[in-house]
Amino acid sequence: DQQVKQNSPSLSVQEGRISILNCDYTNSMFDYFLWYKKYPAEGPTFLISISSIKDKNEDGRFTVFLNKSAKHLSLHIVPSQPGDSAVYFCAASGAGTYKYIFGTGTRLKVLA
Amino acid sequence: GAGVSQSPSNKVTEKGKDVELRCDPISGHTALYWYRQRLGQGLEFLIYFQGNSAPDKSGLPSDRFSAERTGESVSTLTIQRTQQEDSAVYLCASSFLAAPETQYFGPGTRLLVL
Repeated sequence: DQQVKQNSPSLSVQEGRISILNCDYTNSMFDYFLWYKKYPAEGPTFLISISSIKDKNEDGRFTVFLNKSAKHLSLHIVPSQPGDSAVYFCAASGAGTYKYIFGTGTRLKVLA
Repeated sequence: GAGVSQSPSNKVTEKGKDVELRCDPISGHTALYWYRQRLGQGLEFLIYFQGNSAPDKSGLPSDRFSAERTGESVSTLTIQRTQQEDSAVYLCASSFLAAPETQYFGPGTRLLVL
């Protein structure tokens, strides 16, 4: 049973435009959410996080939105750059646990 | 070290053989995590360590999998009697205990079981 789902395996966006990556979860006990970025042949790197007490967190070009009632979060990248091309994973965790459940990832391709 | 390192980077083995994968975390990181990523799949949590103890082993797929950590440093993931379905990239990550959301990943070990 996939508790964290990324239903779009891939996404292509023109350079300069907005990239929106989506993630849905099923467990209402999750209270901390992360986005990681992964380049080929490298391990994932932490990008941005959000706790359930917030509905938005912003860091430069990256903004994560959380809709708890819909059990949905999204990552917005504005403006998108070719260097953003990577696989993006969302992950979720419950309070007091170090166990993060990852989605299957979305491959973003930013076209120059 | 500067980052999380894993060895070997690639491992090809025959079905039924045992393999041992090694992870050297960032110095000072008390928490250490193992994940598996099969082809076309997401990261699958296997186990995590707080210091040298593993409070949550629920992700280990079977009793053929085991892990240990010593000196709050290096960790080894052992797979006994490997099966073809064990083929995957095995990723290790580490973090400060107080900041589990910021995990630093190694480059992974790509395991192929023939």
